[in-house]
Amino acid sequence: GDSVTQMEGPVTLSEEAFLTINCTYTATGYPSLFWYVQYPGEGLQLLLKATKADDKGSNKGFEATYRKETTSFHLEKGSVQVSDSAVYFCALTPYGNNRLAFGKGNQVVVIP
Amino acid sequence: EAQVTQNPRYLITVTGKKLTVTCSQNMNHEYMSWYRQDPGLGLRQIYYSMNVEATDKGDVPEGYKVSRKEKRNFPLILESPSPNQTSLYFCASKPGRAGIYGYTFGSGTRLTVV
Repeated sequence: GDSVTQMEGPVTLSEEAFLTINCTYTATGYPSLFWYVQYPGEGLQLLLKATKADDKGSNKGFEATYRKETTSFHLEKGSVQVSDSAVYFCALTPYGNNRLAFGKGNQVVVIP
Repeated sequence: EAQVTQNPRYLITVTGKKLTVTCSQNMNHEYMSWYRQDPGLGLRQIYYSMNVEATDKGDVPEGYKVSRKEKRNFPLILESPSPNQTSLYFCASKPGRAGIYGYTFGSGTRLTVV
């Protein structure tokens, strides 16, 4: 079935470091891909999305590119801030379907 | 402000006592959904609704009911709660069925069943 895999474990890094969170997916056809962010005590917020191959989604300094050939949608940010500390979820909606499948999420902790 | 509003934010109840978690959105969205979030399991869909009077089961519907009598409201009903329904619940909505739309999520309801 359609699924999303995120790298295991929390990510801890220093302020102004480069952030990468890996996301790979399994789906038939061309799914839509999303990154959601969950700040402590809050609901999930849509961070960015890409709906077709080679699209790049971007928002708040974060970027992710839809790579059909590697079935990936890795999240990157060039210089993180303490305020970026949150849980990040990769998700997909299969083509022709309205279900949303989430990865397990990655806790990101940015240290001053 | 465009938002999804859930109530209550926190709820502690006893096994078997019926409860309802309310969800309302002010964006005229057609599609609404309920998720539960559990450590190590991520987010799982409970029920969804494509429009008024159109609901269907998600991945983990057992023990839950929903209704969609008005476009803006999508309550989650636990007729006889059990401890395994202790979880963090999120309501979400999006403009339509198409997969290209992202969800707007509520702030969550933390439910404890003792």
